[in-house]
Amino acid sequence: AQSVTQPDIHITVSEGASLELRCNYSYGATPYLFWYVQSPGQGLQLLLKYFSGDTLVQGIKGFEAEFKRSQSSFNLRKPSVHWSDAAEYFCAVGGAPLNQGGKLIFGQGTELSVKP
Amino acid sequence: EAQVTQNPRYLITVTGKKLTVTCSQNMNHEYMSWYRQDPGLGLRQIYYSMNVEVTDKGDVPEGYKVSRKEKRNFPLILESPSPNQTSLYFCASSPHRGVNTEAFFGQGTRLTVV
Repeated sequence: AQSVTQPDIHITVSEGASLELRCNYSYGATPYLFWYVQSPGQGLQLLLKYFSGDTLVQGIKGFEAEFKRSQSSFNLRKPSVHWSDAAEYFCAVGGAPLNQGGKLIFGQGTELSVKP
Repeated sequence: EAQVTQNPRYLITVTGKKLTVTCSQNMNHEYMSWYRQDPGLGLRQIYYSMNVEVTDKGDVPEGYKVSRKEKRNFPLILESPSPNQTSLYFCASSPHRGVNTEAFFGQGTRLTVV
């Protein structure tokens, strides 16, 4: 069965420090991978997506993610965290079968806190 | 502005009192779906629709109904809400039903059933 695991429920980093949020997926075919961010009281905003090609993808707000097929991972990174990055982050995989195309399978989410 | 609009944003209701959460998108998207978000569980799909008059169950459909009479609207109906349906609900739309399509989300509806 398809699944997404975000091992870290809560992470705290200092402002200016680097960040890596982990995401592992289980998927039988070529995965289509997404990272979304949910700020307090807001909906989900797409940070970046991987469909094919270059395994290092750039997103908005200075985020990037690297697809590693051998490790079934799609970790999100940012070199220098800003206080406004405090939010909950969700990794998701585009779901099959095709007649359910458009369905996203989400991880449990990682809540990021930023220390001044 | 391209958007998915949900209403209401917040709702407190009593057990058994029917309610509807509306969802509307202005992007002419074919595919729409409803998710619920619960702590530690991420988002789980409730129902989805691939086009007008075409709907189907997602992973957690029990206690919910949907309809898709117009392409832009996809309301979520709780005929007899129960406390275990207290959750944060999101409506989403996608241009088509391919697995590589980005989903656009509404702002969410926080529902409390007492």
